Amino acid sequence: GAVVSQHPSRVICKSGTSVKIECRSLDFQATTMFWYRQFPKQSLMLMATSNEGSKATYEQGVEKDKFLINHASLTLSTLTVTSAHPEDSSFYICSAKDRVTNEKLFFGSGTQLSVL
Amino acid sequence: AQKITQTQPGMFVQEKEAVTLDCTYDTSDQSYGLFWYKQPSSGEMIFLIYQGSYDEQNATEGRYSLNFQKARKSANLVISASQLGDSAMYFCAMDGNKLVFGAGTILRVKS
Repeated sequence: GAVVSQHPSRVICKSGTSVKIECRSLDFQATTMFWYRQFPKQSLMLMATSNEGSKATYEQGVEKDKFLINHASLTLSTLTVTSAHPEDSSFYICSAKDRVTNEKLFFGSGTQLSVL
Repeated sequence: AQKITQTQPGMFVQEKEAVTLDCTYDTSDQSYGLFWYKQPSSGEMIFLIYQGSYDEQNATEGRYSLNFQKARKSANLVISASQLGDSAMYFCAMDGNKLVFGAGTILRVKS
């Protein structure tokens, strides 16, 4: 089946630094990628929708200057958490929609971010 | 607006028995898709099954089947012959203009 690779799986950083998370579709082209945030034992909260070659669409309440999203190609989207603070600590997970089937959504394995 | 409701925060099932996880949805879209995902403690989201709103037959994937009742706006997941490895969080989701997730149901399979 389709594979979405997300890297890194876990990152610990100091407050004030920036962290970049990569999401790659390995065997399919993804015109649309989604970024979610998940707190322990809670549901996934959509942060933004990323379309290749255009600006991301952010959900209400999500700071676009804090969570920078770049979707430079049909197989790669990145989320950069800028000037991270402890409250940004969370599980971040990406997903990609297969350009051909345009129905199934495949997820990366997630990134656990801990900001000290 | 789209909304997914999972009313069961947690469920227990005996190994080898079947279990139904409830999901209801609300949308004004005519065309939409319904998904179920499994999230084990490792955090990865595993796709289980998909049902399109225009699909006449209920979707099945191995031990998973989706009981789709369009008039009732429900899309319950049925897991047959439960296994210990089925213990995880299960999310129902709907794809209209964007993918919306329910709150999830924690399933525990007892031996």
